[in-house]
Amino acid sequence: NAGVTQTPKFQVLKTGQSMTLQCAQDMNHEYMSWYRQDPGMGLRLIHYSVGAGITDQGEVPNGYNVSRSTTEDFPLRLLSAAPSQTSVYFCASSRQPQGRNGYTFGSGTRLTVV
Amino acid sequence: AQKITQTQPGMFVQEKEAVTLDCTYDTSDPSYGLFWYKQPSSGEMIFLIYQGSYDQQNATEGRYSLNFQKARKSANLVISASQLGDSAMYFCAMREGAGDSNYQLIWGAGTKLIIKP
Repeated sequence: NAGVTQTPKFQVLKTGQSMTLQCAQDMNHEYMSWYRQDPGMGLRLIHYSVGAGITDQGEVPNGYNVSRSTTEDFPLRLLSAAPSQTSVYFCASSRQPQGRNGYTFGSGTRLTVV
Repeated sequence: AQKITQTQPGMFVQEKEAVTLDCTYDTSDPSYGLFWYKQPSSGEMIFLIYQGSYDQQNATEGRYSLNFQKARKSANLVISASQLGDSAMYFCAMREGAGDSNYQLIWGAGTKLIIKP
């Protein structure tokens, strides 16, 4: 099925561990982004990319790295996990950053850091 | 200051009634876009409707319509003839600026809508 695929769906990490959240889309969207969702708050932008080889920081980038070597993939790396990074992570993509037709979201990754 | 405010943390509505979910926003940019998303209990984010600041008419998509009052900076979502499947969290979001100058969506905290049979 066309869309945005995120893996894994659930993950438990110990403080200090690193890991990569995977995001892939097959819609040839140029724009991809990572958000985190915390209880009682709206989503917050972590990093985004407007095309292969181009990435930039969002509102809450600290503790996360991204790269975009292909149009399809946009992985998010947690360098040294902290309990404050416990959250639900969403990857989203759009044909254009204006997103007039909306952003397509993955199903999310629920991350717990203990 | 909050850029997106959703004042209703939760709402209960009888099935088949119309629902209005409130959203007010704050921006000094004349060009912006407003989005509504639905998040069911399964967790995915589903795009519902978009309103551009220069759009002449209020946006509509099936049972969803947007009551856009620019001077009051409000963009309320109206769901007509509510159904049990409309029970979900609803988020209002805004993108400021025109063209490719700004990529960030700013989100409200959401409203939890429960439709009663």
